[in-house]
Amino acid sequence: DIVMTQSPLSLPVTPGEPASISCKSSQSLLQSNGYSYLGWIRQRPGQSPQFLIYLGSNRASGVPDRFSGSGSGTDFTLKISRVEAEDVGIYYCMQALQAPLTFGQGTKLEIK
Amino acid sequence: QMQLVQSGPEVKKPGIPVKVSCKASGFTFSNSAIQWVRQTRGQRLEWIGWIIVGSGNTNYAQKFQERVTITRDMSTGTAYMELSSLRSEDTAVYYCAADRWGLVHVFDIWGQGTMVTVSS
Repeated sequence: DIVMTQSPLSLPVTPGEPASISCKSSQSLLQSNGYSYLGWIRQRPGQSPQFLIYLGSNRASGVPDRFSGSGSGTDFTLKISRVEAEDVGIYYCMQALQAPLTFGQGTKLEIK
Repeated sequence: QMQLVQSGPEVKKPGIPVKVSCKASGFTFSNSAIQWVRQTRGQRLEWIGWIIVGSGNTNYAQKFQERVTITRDMSTGTAYMELSSLRSEDTAVYYCAADRWGLVHVFDIWGQGTMVTVSS
């Protein structure tokens, strides 16, 4: 199985400041079509997960452009350009290259 | 409004199966793929498997291979996940999620979750 490792696990951020989360996979998520099968998910407290990013850098429908994904192969980053109070929650990366799909441990973003 | 609505909480004794439903609306169910994921108290997300709705093809995590069955009813737009031989470690919130294009990597619609408690 592909192991997904996130850092940091806890991320206190001041509103208006940027935030960055790293995700590394134990093997390359790059397929021959040139796409890396990496997604980002956010789970707000007490809510279901919400899909943010697919194929490493594509925002899902309705996701604000404050969120951006980058990376390829085994190293990926989720960036929030200006954190807002509603961004609190746990952020997970997920690989969808091969079954079983696997998730990172989660990064808890909190507001300072 | 695109949504998935799951069935209510379940309390089961060890060894008994549970079947959770996931009803789709607001998008073309037959074009989609539905995955099932569970989340334990420790917050870790664990993939169970998916079904390609149109073909009925399924793919299960090895860990659940012998205990899980994912099905769909095209007439009602509902997917199901049945987990048998329940044990206490299966206590978790179970989520369904839809990839509207059947690509099995853009799961952008999630259900509200179903709490399954396994206790004697």
